[in-house]
Amino acid sequence: AQSVTQLDSHVSVSEGTPVLLRCNYSSSYSPSLFWYVQHPNKGLQLLLKYTSAATLVKGINGFEAEFKKSETSFHLTKPSAHMSDAAEYFCVVRFYGGSQGNLIFGKGTKLSVKP
Amino acid sequence: DTGVSQDPRHKITKRGQNVTFRCDPISEHNRLYWYRQTLGQGPEFLTYFQNEAQLEKSRLLSDRFSAERPKGSFSTLEIQRTEQGDSAMYLCASSPDFASTEAFFGQGTRLTVV
Repeated sequence: AQSVTQLDSHVSVSEGTPVLLRCNYSSSYSPSLFWYVQHPNKGLQLLLKYTSAATLVKGINGFEAEFKKSETSFHLTKPSAHMSDAAEYFCVVRFYGGSQGNLIFGKGTKLSVKP
Repeated sequence: DTGVSQDPRHKITKRGQNVTFRCDPISEHNRLYWYRQTLGQGPEFLTYFQNEAQLEKSRLLSDRFSAERPKGSFSTLEIQRTEQGDSAMYLCASSPDFASTEAFFGQGTRLTVV
């Protein structure tokens, strides 16, 4: 069965320090992978996506993620956190076929940024 | 294209009343999804359409919930006899029918049942 696991429900960093949000997936197929960000009381905004091209994907606001097939991971990173990065982040996997219209959500990671 | 549009943005209703939400997807997106999100949780899948066909419904979607997409364009989500537990953000998303393409989300409808 396909699944997505975000390993941390809450990550806290200081402004200017690196950010690492972890995501692992389980799939029998090659998936497409996405990271979305959600600010309070807002919809979900796409940060970046992997669709079987380059394994290192760059997104908006300085975020990037690396697809590692051997580790079935798609961790999100940013070299230097900004206060405006404080939000909820969701790792989403899309498969051909499957359930839920083939979009599977992780449970989310709340990122806090301390001054 | 203005993206996925949801209406209303906020709805306060009394317990027992019926409510209806509307979602206008990006034109020519043939997939449309509905999700429910409660405070501090991730989106929970409710249902999705491919064109006008409702292809999957979550067990979360009780008999009080119904969704339609009559002409394969906009969609409505109706909740009958609302309960306080229905209070949540209801998110709509649309996508083309390609697995490599992301889903585009609306801003959501915040429902409060009092």
